[in-house]
Amino acid sequence: KNEVEQSPQNLTAQEGEFITINCSYSVGISALHWLQQHPGGGIVSLFMLSSGKKKHGRLIATINIQEKHSSLHITASHPRDSAVYICAVPSGGSNYKLTFGKGTLLTVNP
Amino acid sequence: ETGVTQSPTHLIKTRGQQVTLRCSSQSGHNTVSWYQQALGQGPQFIFQYYREEENGRGNFPPRFSGLQFPNYSSELNVNALELDDSALYLCASSLGGGTTRYEQYFGPGTRLTVT
Repeated sequence: KNEVEQSPQNLTAQEGEFITINCSYSVGISALHWLQQHPGGGIVSLFMLSSGKKKHGRLIATINIQEKHSSLHITASHPRDSAVYICAVPSGGSNYKLTFGKGTLLTVNP
Repeated sequence: ETGVTQSPTHLIKTRGQQVTLRCSSQSGHNTVSWYQQALGQGPQFIFQYYREEENGRGNFPPRFSGLQFPNYSSELNVNALELDDSALYLCASSLGGGTTRYEQYFGPGTRLTVT
């Protein structure tokens, strides 16, 4: 089974700050998912990446396959970015099953 | 292009009862995965259906069962409900039979409360 660790568990920032959320996993993978979940809500897929870096608006995701580590960055954070951010990776030995981290609760204050 | 939809949004059931949750996959997607998310936890994989066949299963008892229909919509059935089954149930659709190559698109979830 692939163990997924996210840090920090909770993060509070002021509007405009640069945010970094980290994800480490134990077993080599072909792709990693970053997801966003608003309180009480469903999940939105932000990125799926297998190498390097992806950017979408103010969100940037990077992955280092050798170090088994990924980061999600938010530039110029805004209160509407407040949500739980979850990383997910394929379970060891499986192509169909995702293992999810426990999530990082981000609160951005105006 | 329509997104993933789930019904109902909320549901309250009594211990011992049975429940059916429904998911309509995104247009063109032939794979549906179901997840259980307990409060404060990350989602846990229940099972996946690919072209109407179960493609893989997580660590859930047989009273959790599913179906996928020819139009690729899907149902999750839970028998003999227990209090611990109270959770948000998420479905996600994708292309292909594996999550590693294709992005998953999640529905809004069904909040099940068992009393």
